[in-house]
Amino acid sequence: DAGVTQSPTHLIKTRGQHVTLRCSPISGHKRVSWYQQVLGQGPQFIFQYYEKEERGRGNFPDRFSARQFPNYSSELNVNALLLGDSALYLCASSSSAGANRETQYFGPGTRLLVL
Amino acid sequence: LAKTTQPISMDSYEGQEVNITCSHNNIATNDYITWYQQFPSQGPRFIIQGYKTKVTNEVASLFIPADRKSSTLSLPRVSLSDTAVYYCLVGDLNRDDKIIFGKGTRLHILP
Repeated sequence: DAGVTQSPTHLIKTRGQHVTLRCSPISGHKRVSWYQQVLGQGPQFIFQYYEKEERGRGNFPDRFSARQFPNYSSELNVNALLLGDSALYLCASSSSAGANRETQYFGPGTRLLVL
Repeated sequence: LAKTTQPISMDSYEGQEVNITCSHNNIATNDYITWYQQFPSQGPRFIIQGYKTKVTNEVASLFIPADRKSSTLSLPRVSLSDTAVYYCLVGDLNRDDKIIFGKGTRLHILP
């Protein structure tokens, strides 16, 4: 089975631009979470989506938004990019709610560089 | 939200057993403890998850005392390829909590 996939793998943008990152969860997984990881730090939680609804949001500005599609894939959008948005963006998927011990499985990430 | 505390870094030698301890004093009743391994520029890789006592899989063991306020990841006979950052997470996805990563433990295996 394929794991979590993310696209693109690398991206270079300039300040003020907009970016869209994509994530396909493991087949059968309905919950998708997004994380930002800057160099030398642990991943920081951005969003969690389940059944196309936002279920959790981290401490990120409104420039960050996301959505989940009927096939459970997800997009993370960042507007008005800042230099500080340069990071590895990680997507994780997990199985449906109701399980006692959900485990998140992470994709390889998208490396975003803002110049 | 349960916060975790781990050593910032550890060194060990090939062939040795490595134990990394994580403190989570305010763990909630429904929280599970999960450990991830991360190599540079890659996504974290699931290692092991547990709730109490001992859990073992093909790559590691997880020891959790009765009070669940800490946990220890045990890596048997490490190799150079085990050099990575190891994260301890505590949470319950069913609560829709933010899942918080700490700074992790940088494990450096020496030949």
